[in-house]
Amino acid sequence: GIQVEQSPPDLILQEGANSTLRCNFSDSVNNLQWFHQNPWGQLINLFYIPSGTKQNGRLSATTVATERYSLLYISSSQTTDSGVYFCAVRDRSGTASKLTFGTGTRLQVTL
Amino acid sequence: EPEVTQTPSHQVTQMGQEVILRCVPISNHLYFYWYRQILGQKVEFLVSFYNNEISEKSEIFDDQFSVERPDGSNFTLKIRSTKLEDSAMYFCASRKSLLSEKLFFGSGTQLSVL
Repeated sequence: GIQVEQSPPDLILQEGANSTLRCNFSDSVNNLQWFHQNPWGQLINLFYIPSGTKQNGRLSATTVATERYSLLYISSSQTTDSGVYFCAVRDRSGTASKLTFGTGTRLQVTL
Repeated sequence: EPEVTQTPSHQVTQMGQEVILRCVPISNHLYFYWYRQILGQKVEFLVSFYNNEISEKSEIFDDQFSVERPDGSNFTLKIRSTKLEDSAMYFCASRKSLLSEKLFFGSGTQLSVL
């Protein structure tokens, strides 16, 4: 099956700093989503971004499908950004169902 | 904003007991899913459900697992005889349609098998 690797695995930032999280995948995809898992365990959908660039407030994401990676940018980080960030993909050969999640990036934003 | 609702938030059970995890997907959504996350690990797909039948399941989803949509609003996951390794956070998710790819997750049920 498709492999999804995220980097870095852990990241500590001071409040106000910017960061870039990366998601690499091993095969062509037609669905890529970014999720934030907050400290209470809830999974929140940030972006559906199979290709191109999207922005939502301080967050933006870019997927370069031909090169099999996606980037999540967090600007002016806040303590509420802490948690684990997952990307999840569905490969082109897959059925209309399953998303494969990446290994996650654990982000801690400190004061 | 509509959301996926899961109950209970925490469930503790003895090994060998049956558990039923409940979910109310977003009302106009057609595709339903269960995922799980063992502590500290990534989120894993269990099963997808559409038009009152399973459309895909993973290797994890063996004969001990079953899903049901008993009425127009609830979507349940049953584990017949729980094992220690079933301890995990179980997430329900829903999606509006085949053309709408965005997946919405509930807040999860933390299952602890003792």
